[in-house]
Amino acid sequence: DAGITQSPRHKVTETGTPVTLRCHQTENHRYMYWYRQDPGHGLRLIHYSYGVKDTDKGEVSDGYSVSRSKTEDFLLTLESATSSQTSVYFCAISELLAGGQETQYFGPGTRLLVL
Amino acid sequence: RKEVEQDPGPFNVPEGATVAFNCTYSNSASQSFFWYRQDCRKEPKLLMSVYSSGNEDGRFTAQLNRASQYISLLIRDSKLSDSATYLCVVRLGTGGGNKLTFGTGTQLKVEL
Repeated sequence: DAGITQSPRHKVTETGTPVTLRCHQTENHRYMYWYRQDPGHGLRLIHYSYGVKDTDKGEVSDGYSVSRSKTEDFLLTLESATSSQTSVYFCAISELLAGGQETQYFGPGTRLLVL
Repeated sequence: RKEVEQDPGPFNVPEGATVAFNCTYSNSASQSFFWYRQDCRKEPKLLMSVYSSGNEDGRFTAQLNRASQYISLLIRDSKLSDSATYLCVVRLGTGGGNKLTFGTGTQLKVEL
């Protein structure tokens, strides 16, 4: 258990409304990530953060923004939700394994439906 | 061509069977390799890392062939609880900023 929580766990919203998803971690991890998962595409990186106020884009960042004002919280905002943003959103943190490899651990996910 | 390719399955096998999953990756600069397991409507969870020399964790054996850019996962003596989707995952380099690239997953169903 990497101590990651996500909120809300489920959300239904309407097209055009802003939506903010929250990822919270309790173990002081420096790197945090937001992914979306859709059938046929696997997990795709939206944005990631490498420290407080330090963020960068992933491969599918259009229509999304992020903020990290403190180490434990990483927020994902859909500025104006569209139906194509209906997806399952996962937050993740980086952790170093005993063998020296660095990998990621995931939160439980948020299911978002945009009508 | 996808960066990480997997046969989507499903693989339907009887309990006790041995099953193998394969994965190919396109970027020869990839440095780290993993198998994740994802249960229905749950988050992906790390199953095991994959090392060049091959490695084993109980009933699970992972192999890496860098020359062919090919990764495999072998599950022996399948259990009902092994039913899940198995994700092949590749990392380009070191450091938290280097992203993971995920395959779309191979679905395994173990039946009585």
